[in-house]
Amino acid sequence: KAGVTQTPRYLIKTRGQQVTLSCSPISGHRSVSWYQQTPGQGLQFLFEYFSETQRNKGNFPGRFSGRQFSNSRSEMNVSTLELGDSALYLCASSSGTSGRGLSLGSYNEQFFGPGTRLTVL
Amino acid sequence: GNSVTQMEGPVTLSEEAFLTINCTYTATGYPSLFWYVQYPGEGLQLLLKATKADDKGSNKGFEATYRKETTSFHLEKGSVQVSDSAVYFCALSFSGGYNKLIFGAGTRLAVHP
Repeated sequence: KAGVTQTPRYLIKTRGQQVTLSCSPISGHRSVSWYQQTPGQGLQFLFEYFSETQRNKGNFPGRFSGRQFSNSRSEMNVSTLELGDSALYLCASSSGTSGRGLSLGSYNEQFFGPGTRLTVL
Repeated sequence: GNSVTQMEGPVTLSEEAFLTINCTYTATGYPSLFWYVQYPGEGLQLLLKATKADDKGSNKGFEATYRKETTSFHLEKGSVQVSDSAVYFCALSFSGGYNKLIFGAGTRLAVHP
């Protein structure tokens, strides 16, 4: 089974531009989550999509947005880029049943992609 | 709020040494706990997990026990190898279908021959 793929792997942009990153989950997985990894803030949760709906969101400004398509592929978009947006952006996929579908203590394992390294100049 | 605290790195060990990386958490509720590993240039891989108190997660010689009384999930390995050199992240999440992971800052491990 192919793993999680992210494109592009590397990206260089300038301040004020916008960027779109793509994530293709493992076949059959319906949940995609996005994380930002920086040396200063570590790994921070951006948002999660399940069946084309955003069902959880982290504390990031509205410049960060995402969407999920019917084939579960997901994109995240960052508008009006700032220097501080330079980071490794990771996505993770899981089978992700609905909130009422899992019993206490169960867990949908998340599989991470290799990330997209975004540099903002 | 919910948070994870890990010991600061880097941790530098000789091959075959004993490894402990401390992890404690603060949570409102009853989280599941995880250790993830990140090798250079790669994404995160789940190393082990525990979903309830006193559970012991283990994988590839690594172990961690969910200690509710001390809110800890320390990672241990009896004999490290050079190939274990990586960054290790402790994390928590809450069950119920939502996949938000809250990570610690990460601990870099360097193992020398």
